[in-house]
Amino acid sequence: DQQVKQNSPSLSVQEGRISILNCDYTNSMFDYFLWYKKYPAEGPTFLISISSIKDKNEDGRFTVFLNKSAKHLSLHIVPSQPGDSAVYFCAANSGTYKYIFGTGTRLKVLA
Amino acid sequence: DVKVTQSSRYLVKRTGEKVFLECVQDMDHENMFWYRQDPGLGLRLIYFSYDVKMKEKGDIPEGYSVSREKKERFSLILESASTNQTSMYLCASSLQYEQFFGPGTRLTVL
Repeated sequence: DQQVKQNSPSLSVQEGRISILNCDYTNSMFDYFLWYKKYPAEGPTFLISISSIKDKNEDGRFTVFLNKSAKHLSLHIVPSQPGDSAVYFCAANSGTYKYIFGTGTRLKVLA
Repeated sequence: DVKVTQSSRYLVKRTGEKVFLECVQDMDHENMFWYRQDPGLGLRLIYFSYDVKMKEKGDIPEGYSVSREKKERFSLILESASTNQTSMYLCASSLQYEQFFGPGTRLTVL
């Protein structure tokens, strides 16, 4: 039972345009959400997070939106750059030590 | 900068061998984790540890064990490696919510 789902395995976007990566979850007990970026042959690196008491968090070109009623979060990257090409994982936490990760979305930014 | 290091980037072992994967973090984090990453399955938690000598099973602990004798070091042990344990293994540490990952070990079991 996949509690955190990233339904798009891949996404291609032109440089300079907006990239929108989506994540759906089923467990209403999740109260903290994170996005990680992973380049090939490297470990994931933390990108941005959001608490369930907020609906938006922004950090430079990256914004995460949380829609609790829809159990949906999204990561917006504006403007997209070729260096953003990577696999993006969303993860959810319910206040325990355990994180549930999605299956990842491979973003390709075309120059 | 937080640093999480893993003992090997690439490892090739034979079926039935005992395999040790080592992870060291330098930020005095309480929590440490072992995941495996497989295509289409994302990151799946094998074990985590919230203190020295303390461990909890994750989602897929079968065939694995762990050891945490010192705060900075968390070891994953494959008691008898099998071909279905061929995977990318990622170690992470955390203080609160944000996890810091090592570079990963690509293990191939022949």
